[in-house]
Amino acid sequence: QSVLTQPPSVSGAPGLRVTISCTGSSSNIGANYDVHWYQQLPGTAPKLLIYANNNRPSGVPDRFSGSKSGTSASLAITGLQADDEADYYCQSYDATLTAYVFGTGTKVTVL
Amino acid sequence: QVQLQESGPGLVQPSGTLSLSCTVSGGPITNGYWWAWIRQPPGKGLEWIGHIYYSGSTNYGPSLKSRVSMSVDTSKKQFSLNLSSVTALDTAVYYCARVSRGYGDYNYYYYMDVWGRGTTVTVSS
Repeated sequence: QSVLTQPPSVSGAPGLRVTISCTGSSSNIGANYDVHWYQQLPGTAPKLLIYANNNRPSGVPDRFSGSKSGTSASLAITGLQADDEADYYCQSYDATLTAYVFGTGTKVTVL
Repeated sequence: QVQLQESGPGLVQPSGTLSLSCTVSGGPITNGYWWAWIRQPPGKGLEWIGHIYYSGSTNYGPSLKSRVSMSVDTSKKQFSLNLSSVTALDTAVYYCARVSRGYGDYNYYYYMDVWGRGTTVTVSS
């Protein structure tokens, strides 16, 4: 079981905004370890979406944004599009496990 | 741009050793990045296995640490994964990835910014 918990699924209509939470603890996010986000389209490898809480790599649309507060982080997708349908994973470091950890993953469905 | 390609057997016998390589193209392997292995069992989430620096320094995840070894061959621009005593639970898609490092307000952080396409490994007799 991952130490970073995400909702199994979120959905939204095209054009709307969805958010995905990533809940950790005092040994990871709460210990000031940064959070990164990945998008995994069906049948493909994960792709970096957000690094260091709120930074977008070149080429990632500004419809994607990240934030972090306390023991949690969030990914927001605005102007939802059909090709945003994918699995999304958060990732951080856990000091107790001494391991880089991924969240449980969230499937985004565009209605 | 940098590209990564995994290679290795798609089928491994139970109790055997899983061996995979990742070839780096489009850029050097010795330029300050770390290089990682991540796996994804069928229908499940991602699991970080470990990562290696071009100097050979390694960092392994605790759950597989007793069975994992990684190495790097800078002349071939390849890094490798060995996982011993495999069982059906090791069946997964295995990804290699480049790891970038930065420094936040309090700690270093590491994230995977380039991924290979992944290779499916099945453990079965």
